[in-house]
Amino acid sequence: QQQVKQSPQSLIVQKGGISIINCAYENTAFDYFPWYQQFPGKGPALLIAIRPDVSEKKEGRFTISFNKSAKQFSLHIMDSQPGDSATYFCAASMQGGSEKLVFGKGTKLTVNP
Amino acid sequence: NAGVTQTPKFQVLKTGQSMTLQCAQDMNHNSMYWYRQDPGMGLRLIYYSASEGTTDKGEVPNGYNVSRLNKREFSLRLESAAPSQTSVYFCASSEQNTGELFFGEGSRLTVL
Repeated sequence: QQQVKQSPQSLIVQKGGISIINCAYENTAFDYFPWYQQFPGKGPALLIAIRPDVSEKKEGRFTISFNKSAKQFSLHIMDSQPGDSATYFCAASMQGGSEKLVFGKGTKLTVNP
Repeated sequence: NAGVTQTPKFQVLKTGQSMTLQCAQDMNHNSMYWYRQDPGMGLRLIYYSASEGTTDKGEVPNGYNVSRLNKREFSLRLESAAPSQTSVYFCASSEQNTGELFFGEGSRLTVL
């Protein structure tokens, strides 16, 4: 049973464009929604995270939008750069913790120069 | 600051062989995890340890055992490797209930 559904599987964007990755979850007990970024040959690293008491969180060019009623959240990368090319994972957990964090299947983003 | 260190980085096994993946963290974190990453499957939790002396099963524990040797070290053992265990294995650590996982660089295992 997949608890966090992520789309698309892959995404190609031109430099300067907007990259959008979407995730949907089923368990209404989830209350912590991070995004992880993974470069080839490396482990994932936390990019940005949101808790359901806010609808949007922005850090530089990266923004999480959260829709509690629709049980959806998305990552927006503004002014996408070739250095943003990586695999992105959304995730969710309960009680705000990292234990039993449930990951989406990942989106491979390619930003063309 | 090394963070999370995994050894070995690469390993090839034959079906039925055993091996242990080692993980150590120097961030004084209480919680440690083992994930496997397969193409199109994302990251799946194998086992985790919320604190020294405790371990719990994750989503895909079958065929694996773990040992939390001390606060720094958390090992993953394959007793009788199977081709289905061909994967990239990641160790991670976190401060309890902060949400942020710190991952190692991974161990790529091939079982023939």
